[in-house]
Amino acid sequence: AQSVSQHNHHVILSEAASLELGCNYSYGGTVNLFWYVQYPGQHLQLLLKYFSGDPLVKGIKGFEAEFIKSKFSFNLRKPSVQWSDTAEYFCAVNPSGTYKYIFGTGTRLKVLA
Amino acid sequence: SAVISQKPSRDICQRGTSLTIQCQVDSQVTMMFWYRQQPGQSLTLIATANQGSEATYESGFVIDKFPISRPNLTFSTLTVSNMSPEDSSIYLCSSKDAVQETQYFGPGTRLLVL
Repeated sequence: AQSVSQHNHHVILSEAASLELGCNYSYGGTVNLFWYVQYPGQHLQLLLKYFSGDPLVKGIKGFEAEFIKSKFSFNLRKPSVQWSDTAEYFCAVNPSGTYKYIFGTGTRLKVLA
Repeated sequence: SAVISQKPSRDICQRGTSLTIQCQVDSQVTMMFWYRQQPGQSLTLIATANQGSEATYESGFVIDKFPISRPNLTFSTLTVSNMSPEDSSIYLCSSKDAVQETQYFGPGTRLLVL
């Protein structure tokens, strides 16, 4: 069955530290890839997405993600986190040609000021 | 991107009762979806709300338990019927239009069943 794994369930960082959140999926075909963020008390928002082309995609607020097809991965990165990045981050995979999104279980990030 | 609102934002219900959740999108969209997010778990797709026809349910979800309506291209409802404490969850509405291969989400409805 198709699945998405986010291995880090909880991450605690100090401000200015670098961030990398892992996302791996199991699907052999072409996929569209997404990272969503949910800030405390707010709804799920799109952070960035990858459909095709340059495997390094840049999103809002200084986030970026790299699609490595051979590793079935789409890891999220930010070189220097801020306290305001405290949120829950979800990776999602959409097999091309379908409407279904398969979500990971999410990673709770806490940034200490 | 579409702006999506949901009502109610939260509710506490007694077991055996039903709750209808409304989802309103600020523009016409081709597809609307309903998800469930149980505590500590990922988002799970319940069904696709089809305009003018019956919803398409995912494995493990049935129409009798989660009846869905979609009378037009901007509005949908999800009813959680004959609730039990296991139905306590966040229910999310999302939409996707024909051009963007991206789903946008509403704020969710937090349901607690006692």
